[in-house]
Amino acid sequence: GAVVSQHPSWVICKSGTSVKIECRSLDFQATTMFWYRQFPKQSLMLMATSNEGSKATYEQGVEKDKFLINHASLTLSTLTVTSAHPEDSSFYICSGLAGGSETQYFGPGTRLLVL
Amino acid sequence: QKEVEQNSGPLSVPEGAIASLNCTYSDRVSQSFFWYRQYSGKSPELIMSIYSNGDKEDGRFTAQLNKASQYVSLLIRDSQPSDSATYLCAVSNDYKLSFGAGTTVTVRA
Repeated sequence: GAVVSQHPSWVICKSGTSVKIECRSLDFQATTMFWYRQFPKQSLMLMATSNEGSKATYEQGVEKDKFLINHASLTLSTLTVTSAHPEDSSFYICSGLAGGSETQYFGPGTRLLVL
Repeated sequence: QKEVEQNSGPLSVPEGAIASLNCTYSDRVSQSFFWYRQYSGKSPELIMSIYSNGDKEDGRFTAQLNKASQYVSLLIRDSQPSDSATYLCAVSNDYKLSFGAGTTVTVRA
C-alpha cells in the first residue's frame, strides 16, 4: 500500500505557542490530503480537506484561523496549530488520497501535548 | 442520528473463533465502504474496502455489504491474539470518510 509519513511523531509545547506538523506522501502523489483529530477513546474526526494548490476546506466547528493548512505540493501538506492551548492536546492524523482512488492511506499520527 | 454506527463492544473471542463486526450507515448515496484496524496508540490501517453488494474475502477477513439495508460487516476467521485492536467502519461520501466509533476486539489466547 501507499506510504504516508508524519513529522514529528510527538510534540510537547507550551500554551500560546504554535506547532507545525508535516504530512508527506512518500511513494505516490496525493492530490487530496485530509487532517483528522482523535481524542482518547473516541473515533477520528475530520478537521479539513486540502487539495494541492488551493485553500483547505474546513469541517463545521473547526477554526480555520487556528488550524492553518498548507498543501504546497502533491507530496506535502502541513498543519499549524496556532496559539495552542491544553484543549488542543490530541492525536493528529493525516491521510493521502491518490488521484482516481477513494482509498485513504493514513500517516502514523502526531501526538500533541500542550502544557 | 449518527452517520455511521457500529455494534458496541468490547468484543471478546477465543483464539481460533470467528469475530463478527457490524456497521450501519445513514446516507443512502454512500458508495464506498472501508474497514480499518487501529492498534492502541497507532493510526488506522486499511484492512478491506468494499464497493458492491455481497461478500469480499481477503485472507481471514470477509467484508459483507448490503446497500438496501445500509449495512456492512466484517468477519475475522481463525482469530489470532494479534487481531486484538479497535476496528473502525468508514463510509465515503465525496471522498470524505465518516467513521464509526469503533469496536474493540480482544482475542483470548
